[in-house]
Amino acid sequence: AQSVAQPEDQVNVAEGNPLTVKCTYSVSGNPYLFWYVQYPNRGLQFLLKYITGDNLVKGSYGFEAEFNKSQTSFHLKKPSALVSDSALYFCAVRDGWGTNAGKSTFGDGTTLTVKP
Amino acid sequence: NAGVTQTPKFRILKIGQSMTLQCTQDMNHNYMYWYRQDPGMGLKLIYYSVGAGITDKGEVPNGYNVSRSTTEDFPLRLELAAPSQTSVYFCASITGSGANVLTFGAGSRLTVL
Repeated sequence: AQSVAQPEDQVNVAEGNPLTVKCTYSVSGNPYLFWYVQYPNRGLQFLLKYITGDNLVKGSYGFEAEFNKSQTSFHLKKPSALVSDSALYFCAVRDGWGTNAGKSTFGDGTTLTVKP
Repeated sequence: NAGVTQTPKFRILKIGQSMTLQCTQDMNHNYMYWYRQDPGMGLKLIYYSVGAGITDKGEVPNGYNVSRSTTEDFPLRLELAAPSQTSVYFCASITGSGANVLTFGAGSRLTVL
């Protein structure tokens, strides 16, 4: 079984400040980890992924995420937040082993609000 | 490329009515998925398909049916709609090889009254 937890329903930051959106996961095999962003009345859009290699992954719009195997975490970060970053963020995990048919499990989402 | 296209965008149903949500992708993806998104919740997998003629249940399949007669199309049918099926439905696809990323449609907002 695989699962994802996003412990914060909401994160508020001021524009220009760094932001962190937290995610922890559980899988049986190797984790494939993803961050997606959802703007109002839109589908989810891919931000970044970790499969293997460097623990620090860089993605779209200046976002990055750090994979920490010992803490089973994959927190999303950005050094300087923009008002336009305000959206709903989802962490997702997929077990890289076995015939899971590509099925991803999503967290409940974290609403990021960046205030001017 | 249009990507993943869902229709309709909005629909209101009465209890007991039936309807089909359409999903089409033009990326020749093998794997397709239907998720539902309830307020304050993540996406829950309803059904998925690994190729034409092959479908399987996800986490929350009750009250829904799917078919996959072609690679491009993966319609989701709601039989005997219930208020608990009020949700936003997302169709998504990936190639199925490697750690590929899901491509989502824009969603279909369904209200059952």
